[in-house]
Amino acid sequence: EDQVTQSPEALRLQEGESSSLNCSYTVSGLRGLFWYRQDPGKGPEFLFTLYSAGEEKEKERLKATLTKKESFLHITAPKPEDSATYLCAVQAIGTYKYIFGTGTRLKVLA
Amino acid sequence: DGGITQSPKYLFRKEGQNVTLSCEQNLNHDAMYWYRQDPGQGLRLIYYSQIVNDFQKGDIAEGYSVSREKKESFPLTVTSAQKNPTAFYLCASKAGEGYGYTFGSGTRLTVV
Repeated sequence: EDQVTQSPEALRLQEGESSSLNCSYTVSGLRGLFWYRQDPGKGPEFLFTLYSAGEEKEKERLKATLTKKESFLHITAPKPEDSATYLCAVQAIGTYKYIFGTGTRLKVLA
Repeated sequence: DGGITQSPKYLFRKEGQNVTLSCEQNLNHDAMYWYRQDPGQGLRLIYYSQIVNDFQKGDIAEGYSVSREKKESFPLTVTSAQKNPTAFYLCASKAGEGYGYTFGSGTRLTVV
């Protein structure tokens, strides 16, 4: 069964303290892996798509990487405005739907 | 600016009532989706539509209905048959296969 597991559930960082969020997945064949940011009471905002193992994408303080079993979202020198829930989703080849993880709630303290 | 507009932001339903959530997009995307978000759970797909006048059930379609009469619009009706409708509802669209979703700002539905 296709599955996505995100860890940790919650993470508190001091401003400037770099860390990584994990997204482990099991899928028959990966079409794409997606990262989103969600602020409280709002819809998710698209961050990255990764298609194959070894691929990396960067945006400001965020960098997403992909292996055959997991993806990491690295946050370098985070700021309080990076506080949000980060969601991971995968789409399997030949399917229409995305499978979402339950997210990691990130809090960055000033 | 292009995007997805959901309305209302907050909605209250009495027991036995049907309510309709609005979703409009001006991105010219063919595919539109409805997801439900509950605390501690991943987003779950309710219905999706790949083209006008066609839609398919997702994983949790029972108690919901949709229509797709126009490319821009994909309203969701939560019927009285949905036993636990209190949730955050998200509408999304995407440009094509392999693309990420563009989400609306959501509607929070509460049963009173």
